[in-house]
Amino acid sequence: QSVLTQPPSASGTPGQRVTISCSGSSSNIGSNYVYWYQQLAGMAPKLLIHSDNERPSGVPDRFSGSKSGTSGSLAISGLRSEDESDYYCAAWDDSLSVLLFGGGTKLTVL
Amino acid sequence: QVQLVQSGAEVKKPGASVKVSCKASGYTFTNYAITWVRQAPGQGLEWMGWISAYNGDTKYAQNVQDRFTLTTDKSTSTAYMELRSLRSDDMAIYYCTRDSVYGSKSGSRDSWGQGTRVTVSS
Repeated sequence: QSVLTQPPSASGTPGQRVTISCSGSSSNIGSNYVYWYQQLAGMAPKLLIHSDNERPSGVPDRFSGSKSGTSGSLAISGLRSEDESDYYCAAWDDSLSVLLFGGGTKLTVL
Repeated sequence: QVQLVQSGAEVKKPGASVKVSCKASGYTFTNYAITWVRQAPGQGLEWMGWISAYNGDTKYAQNVQDRFTLTTDKSTSTAYMELRSLRSDDMAIYYCTRDSVYGSKSGSRDSWGQGTRVTVSS
């Protein structure tokens, strides 16, 4: 069981806005940046969001990140079929001295 | 462009060792670190450890630190991961990823290798 908690699944229809949550604690999300990764089937993870809410160049602005207290969120607006993927949050944990990943959320585009 | 190219799939017996390479290109190798992440079949991502390509400093996850060694070769811009005394629960895809030279706490892991599948089977 991951220390960062994500819903195992999420879904939406094309054009909709979906959000994926990532719940942690004061030793990880509460005191360090949240990162989000997209992992398409059979592929390596890809950085989507860094430093809570920053998009690397090349990532569409349909993807956005936010953080409040000990929880982070990934929002995807204008949902597209190619967004169907697994999404992972990550944050450094100061108590455990490890990079923690959430358990992952499988997004289905209906 | 930044590229991390990993060595090919490995099949090992329980108790054996495996060494996976990760060759970097498209950036100054010693300005960054390499972090290793693994993913067991059908499971999520697990951080295993970090090595600075600048000075060789390392940090390992507690659950593998006795069996796990990270090294780098600056002359070839290549990072290596060695895991010893392999067990069935080490069976996974192992990824290298570019990280901050100041540690995984500071980095974003913006580029990833393609992954190396390690199978452990008698």
